[in-house]
Amino acid sequence: SQKIEQNSEALNIQEGKTATLTCNYTNYSPAYLQWYRQDPGRGPVFLLLIRENEKEKRKERLKVTFDTTLKQSLFHITASQPADSATYLCARDYGGSQGNLIFGKGTKLSVKP
Amino acid sequence: GAVVSQHPSRVICKSGTSVKIECRSLDFQATTMFWYRQFPKQSLMLMATSNEGSKATYEQGVEKDKFLINHASLTLSTLTVTSAHPEDSSFYICSARGTNQETQYFGPGTRLLVL
Repeated sequence: SQKIEQNSEALNIQEGKTATLTCNYTNYSPAYLQWYRQDPGRGPVFLLLIRENEKEKRKERLKVTFDTTLKQSLFHITASQPADSATYLCARDYGGSQGNLIFGKGTKLSVKP
Repeated sequence: GAVVSQHPSRVICKSGTSVKIECRSLDFQATTMFWYRQFPKQSLMLMATSNEGSKATYEQGVEKDKFLINHASLTLSTLTVTSAHPEDSSFYICSARGTNQETQYFGPGTRLLVL
């Protein structure tokens, strides 16, 4: 079955540094990978989607990569700020036609001033 | 754009009662809506998928008679937790996806506590 793994439960970095979060998947490459931000007690907020045939995608201070050889996606936040502190979720498609998503457990990012 | 609301945001009920949670897409038509459950420090687990006007498709291990889902219109889906028990206490989150949207947009979630 398809799985999605975010091996780091937590990541602590200093303000201004680049945060790099890792997402690994098993079995065949998903059509796309998605990254979401979730704050405590809130629903996830969509950040970026990267397709299988795209190596990199950027949005402001965010960058996502998709490496089908390593079966991995990296999520970068440059010039990190305390306001970036949250849990970041990686998700892949379920493999069916309804667009269902399988989520990783998330990485809790803490940016210290 | 792509705003999804949920109501109520928090509910406390007695064991044995039923609770209804509403999910609305405010500025787009949601052809597909999803219901997730999230326990503390766990990821979102898909419970069911519903297309407007059709019966919901439930994930393995989710009791369809306990978690009733109705998707009667393109902007509204409801989840009813019937005869709730303390183990049903969780964070319930809905999401919605429109016809030409690649991603899902999530509601703010509903915290259910069953005493």
